[in-house]
Amino acid sequence: DIQMTQSPSSVSASVGDRVTITCRASQGIRTWLAWYQQKPGKAPKLLIHAASSLQSGVPSRFSGSGSGTDFTLTISSLQPEDVATYYCQQAKSFPLTFGGGTKLEIK
Amino acid sequence: QVQLQESGPGLVKPSETLSLTCTVSHGSISHYYWSWIRQPPGKGLEWIGYIDHSGSTTYNPSFKNRVVMSVDTSKNQFSLKLSSVTAADTAVYYCARHAGQWEPVGFWGQGTLVTVSS
Repeated sequence: DIQMTQSPSSVSASVGDRVTITCRASQGIRTWLAWYQQKPGKAPKLLIHAASSLQSGVPSRFSGSGSGTDFTLTISSLQPEDVATYYCQQAKSFPLTFGGGTKLEIK
Repeated sequence: QVQLQESGPGLVKPSETLSLTCTVSHGSISHYYWSWIRQPPGKGLEWIGYIDHSGSTTYNPSFKNRVVMSVDTSKNQFSLKLSSVTAADTAVYYCARHAGQWEPVGFWGQGTLVTVSS
């Protein structure tokens, strides 16, 4: 199985800050990576697919980058509604696997 | 826009079989891949497996021979059966749709909590 490791596991930042979350795959996955946002009590929501393609309707302050084993999700200017847990997921091989999540809070 | 809704018992006894159904509305079950994903309370996401409209399945080996998925295109539904459950199977179970075999999940159900307890 491909292991997905996210860091940090939690982060606290101020409104307007730039926030970066990283995801590392245990083996190369090219750009077969997605990012999801999950708010408390809700289902996850797709933000980014193919490592850097913004899903329709997602604010442009979200961006993704990377290929191979190292990926990043960046929020350019943190907003209060961005409080959530963020997960990466690889789609290179079965079983599909997720990172452990990064909990984002507002200072 | 397509909507997914999970249904099934919220409480299952240990060693019994967990059975859930996902009803797809405002869209056809054809031409897509349909997953079950679970999330234990306070923990991360785990992919259980998926099925396509023809009934072809791919399962996570972590579930060994405990999982069976099926699809009923006439009812626009697909189902999950997980046998020999233990407390470790307590989780919110989500049904979800992928646009293609290697595509991410574009649509999720709201999730349903299944508790395994006697």
